This record gives sequence, structure tokens and C-alpha cells, in this order.
Amino acid sequence: GAGVSQSPRYKVAKRGQDVALRCDPISGHVSLFWYQQALGQGPEFLTYFQNEAQLDKSGLPSDRFFAERPEGSVSTLKIQRTQQEDSAVYLCASSGTGDGDKALHFGNGTRLTVT
Amino acid sequence: ELKVEQNPLFLSMQEGKNYTIYCNYSTTSDRLYWYRQDPGKSLESLFVLLSNGAVKQEGRLMASLDTKARLSTLHITAAVHDLSATYFCAVDHTGTASKLTFGTGTRLQVTL
Repeated sequence: GAGVSQSPRYKVAKRGQDVALRCDPISGHVSLFWYQQALGQGPEFLTYFQNEAQLDKSGLPSDRFFAERPEGSVSTLKIQRTQQEDSAVYLCASSGTGDGDKALHFGNGTRLTVT
Repeated sequence: ELKVEQNPLFLSMQEGKNYTIYCNYSTTSDRLYWYRQDPGKSLESLFVLLSNGAVKQEGRLMASLDTKARLSTLHITAAVHDLSATYFCAVDHTGTASKLTFGTGTRLQVTL
């Protein structure tokens, strides 16, 4: 597709429920990132993939957060037993490998509200 | 721990005026990004600055990077209402663009 696609656009979950957020990166982009953006804040790094390999997951806030990219394309961020503090916008980004294209291209995000 | 600070956090300016947004960061980095975010929207890449002294311009926006001072600026010339948005700088301290640390953002409001 033309850009990074994320679904769902909005998700409301009751505390304790599990959620799965999907990201479809720009075709051909090997690098994929997940960021969390709380209201009024800048995005914070969660995790990074190069193809199917998860090279950095240092930003995942707890073991309830899990991300995968099994075929090196689509990625899923899963949050188990959601808590109210998980409410945020989850942004996915991808980038190409050329020197001239180091910018991250962000999707529109999934706004998660935990009630 | 890398810290990225922007100032001001909020800026209200009249159309036609000039202003500069500052981005300071705490550890060495040669790579800095500027993004724009409209309310409820995602982040749009504005500039990628890859070396000390880098300067890039697009329309009424110009960004520069001084790695020795650990400072980047985003200069707005003759602001127009369409520039109203939140602007973020982000620093890559890995050298591989694999992990960005974002500033808190500067919310710009351009009034008529």
C-alpha cells in the first residue's frame, strides 16, 4: 500500500481483556517499529524489528506486552490483561534501507482505551 | 539515559511572524528528526538531519543541527495558519535509526 496501515483505528477494552493491534508496513520496508503515545506526550519506543527478527524490545513496559512479525511483513502488538495505564495511542512505523530514507513513516495509530 | 527537551512547549504566534523552536538533547548523536502532528493524526516526517551543521529547508520551515551543542532548531518564517500543529524533534542515539527518543513536542498555534 501507499502508507503504513494500522487496525483497528479505535479499540475499547475492559480491564483484564487481551487486545491485538495490527500493523501493515510500507511494502519493501524491512524495519518496523512500535511506539506508544500517551495523551499530550511524545511517542515512546516500544520495540523494533528487522524483517522477522525482533532486535530490540527494551521499551516494552511489562511482560504483558508482546510483539511479533513472523513473516517479516505484518506485525501484531498484543497486550494481555490490559490495565488502565495501557490507554494510549499505539503507533507503528516502518523505514526503508536506503541511506536517503532513514525517516520513519508512521501509521495513523490505534487509540486504545481501557475502561 | 537520553533526554530530549523542546522549548517552548506551547507557542502562539500571529501570521506573518517569525519564530524558532529549540530542541536540546543530552547525549551525543549525529542524527535528528523533525516531525509534525496534527490533532488526532499521525506523525508526518519533515526533516532528517544527518550530520553536524546540516541545514534543510522546506517552504516556511528550516531546520538545523549543531551536534557539538547538542541542539537543533526549527525556524518558522512568516507563519501561516496552516502551520498550526504540534512539532516533535526526535534523536537517534543508536546510529542506525533503530530507536528514536522524542521530545515532548511544541504545540504551535498561528492566529490570524
